[in-house]
Amino acid sequence: KAGVTQTPRYLIKTRGQQVTLSCSPISGHRSVSWYQQTPGQGLQFLFEYFSETQRNKGNFPGRFSGRQFSNSRSEMNVSTLELGDSALYLCASSKPGQGNTEAFFGQGTRLTVV
Amino acid sequence: GQNIDQPTEMTATEGAIVQINCTYQTSGFNGLFWYQQHAGEAPTFLSYNVLDGLEEKGRFSSFLSRSKGYSYLLLKELQMKDSASYLCAPYNDYKLSFGAGTTVTVRA
Repeated sequence: KAGVTQTPRYLIKTRGQQVTLSCSPISGHRSVSWYQQTPGQGLQFLFEYFSETQRNKGNFPGRFSGRQFSNSRSEMNVSTLELGDSALYLCASSKPGQGNTEAFFGQGTRLTVV
Repeated sequence: GQNIDQPTEMTATEGAIVQINCTYQTSGFNGLFWYQQHAGEAPTFLSYNVLDGLEEKGRFSSFLSRSKGYSYLLLKELQMKDSASYLCAPYNDYKLSFGAGTTVTVRA
């Protein structure tokens, strides 16, 4: 069974640009969440989606947004990129309605803003 | 708010046992995850505890005490490949809250 797939794996963008990252969850997983990982702040929660609805959002500025499609695939968008947005962006998917007994991460997208 | 404490670093010898403690104070709680993360890689799921007690999975075991806000991860028969960062992550309100992680170094 395929794992969580994130694309692209690596990305270099310029300050002020915008970027869209994609996440395909494990088949049958309907919950998708996003995290940002940086050396200074560690892993921080961005948002979580289930059945196309955002159920929780972390403390990030409005430049960070996301959505989920009917097939459970999710995208996150960062507009007006800043140097501090350089990070590893991780997506995790989990089983539906079972209290999150497992949550698996994708390999991540490493974003570099120059 | 969330407050999650783990030791920063631990060193142990191949074949030994290491216990990584995690204490947490969270505004809500639905369970606790442990992840392993090798440098430059994504976190790998190790265990999930929702009830008090010990969960065993091969060489790894995880314990939870909800009333004490305490968990530990026990790594037995350490191997060189176990050198990694171990992350304690309480779960609540559809999100994982991560501590800074414990870097475990296994020496030959």
